Amino acid sequence: EAGVTQFPSHSVIEKGQTVTLRCDPISGHDNLYWYRRVMGKEIKFLLHFVKESKQDESGMPNNRFLAERTGGTYSTLKVQPAELEDSGVYFCASSHGGIPWGYTFGSGTRLTVV
Amino acid sequence: GQQVMQIPQYQHVQEGEDFTTYCNSSTTLSNIQWYKQRPGGHPVFLIQLVKSGEVKKQKRLTFQFGEAKKNSSLHITATQTTDVGTYFCAGPSYFMDTGRRALTFGSGTRLQVQP
Repeated sequence: EAGVTQFPSHSVIEKGQTVTLRCDPISGHDNLYWYRRVMGKEIKFLLHFVKESKQDESGMPNNRFLAERTGGTYSTLKVQPAELEDSGVYFCASSHGGIPWGYTFGSGTRLTVV
Repeated sequence: GQQVMQIPQYQHVQEGEDFTTYCNSSTTLSNIQWYKQRPGGHPVFLIQLVKSGEVKKQKRLTFQFGEAKKNSSLHITATQTTDVGTYFCAGPSYFMDTGRRALTFGSGTRLQVQP
């Protein structure tokens, strides 16, 4: 089966610009998660979708971040306008069922804001 | 909220030496998972422990889940250069108010192996 796919793998943008990250979960996985790892620190939760609904977005840093999952398939995470502290690696993960068993992570998007 | 702590943050060993990373949760966990992230890569699921006191082995890796289900360890015997990476533990978080069912990750232990 295809894994979790993220695009782009790398993105370098200037402060104030907009960037949209995309995640395609494993087909049939209702649960989709966004996480972020900044500067080699812990992997921090951003938000959780169950199908197309936002189950929990309490991890989103601020209102410059907007996530969507139209139709309950792929998801996008938009950062607008980007700030320097948004730099990091954004991981998407998906899992089957309501209990988070082992996640399958995407390869991540490395975002650099300059 | 739930916190998951890992020690050490970093360890540098000579190839052939053993390595252990420890994970502690502020709350009792229904299960604990371990992930490995190679440099430049993404976290890859290694194993899940569910039962109190459970011990599981994967070749040179030994995983333990504490009796109180609040701590866990990963031990690598006779490290190899292929073991290089960051090892994360993670425990599921259930938040009744938001309905969140997600993993809370530890801060990770970065392992460097000197050939």
